[in-house]
Amino acid sequence: QVQLVESGGGVVQPGRSLRLSCAASGFTFSSYPMHWVRQAPGKGLEWVAVIGYDGIIKLYTDSVKGRFTISRDDSQNTLYLQMDSLRPEDTALYYCARDPLKGAPDYFDYWGQGTLVTVSS
Amino acid sequence: EIVLTQSPGTLSLSPGERATLSCRASQSVSNNYLAWYQQKPGQAPRFLIYGASSRATGIPDRFSGSGSGTDFTLTISRLEPEDFAVYYCQQYGTSRLITFGQGTRLEIK
Repeated sequence: QVQLVESGGGVVQPGRSLRLSCAASGFTFSSYPMHWVRQAPGKGLEWVAVIGYDGIIKLYTDSVKGRFTISRDDSQNTLYLQMDSLRPEDTALYYCARDPLKGAPDYFDYWGQGTLVTVSS
Repeated sequence: EIVLTQSPGTLSLSPGERATLSCRASQSVSNNYLAWYQQKPGQAPRFLIYGASSRATGIPDRFSGSGSGTDFTLTISRLEPEDFAVYYCQQYGTSRLITFGQGTRLEIK
């Protein structure tokens, strides 16, 4: 069955960096676009970034452009999110999610359980 | 950017009743590329509906989606106890950017 397991979250000071990982299993990872979606404590869902199945297309929400970088390693079935220049407003639970269609961005058919990032001094 | 506005913010109903949740877009959603998700406390979102009206695999047929253009609806025909949760709509049709509605909380009356 499809499994997505995020890791790498933690408490970090403003301005510092963090790298999140999402280990995928149960499907052919290299065939699917993948996303990061975040949820601030007690708030709604916010899409963060998508990477195409071939790693060529990379799109970001405006608030993270120039600070976050999405990438993938198909040999390791792993999705990454490099987060630089972190701000307190980046505090959230970060989910990775699978996009079932090659023409991303679309919707999300499978989600991980999330990894919590807290940006605080 | 398309802004999605969900209403009501909170809906209080009893098991067995019918729930109607609304999602209105600030501009037309191309190809009716709208999805719905259910989220329970402490859990990841669960995929329910895509293309405004197509149910995801394994979703009970009491869940149905409808609408087009700027007005979309998620209907739960007869509420089961496990249906009480927060529901989000999401558009993926325009400008290659994804946006979510702010959510509707469906609570037990």
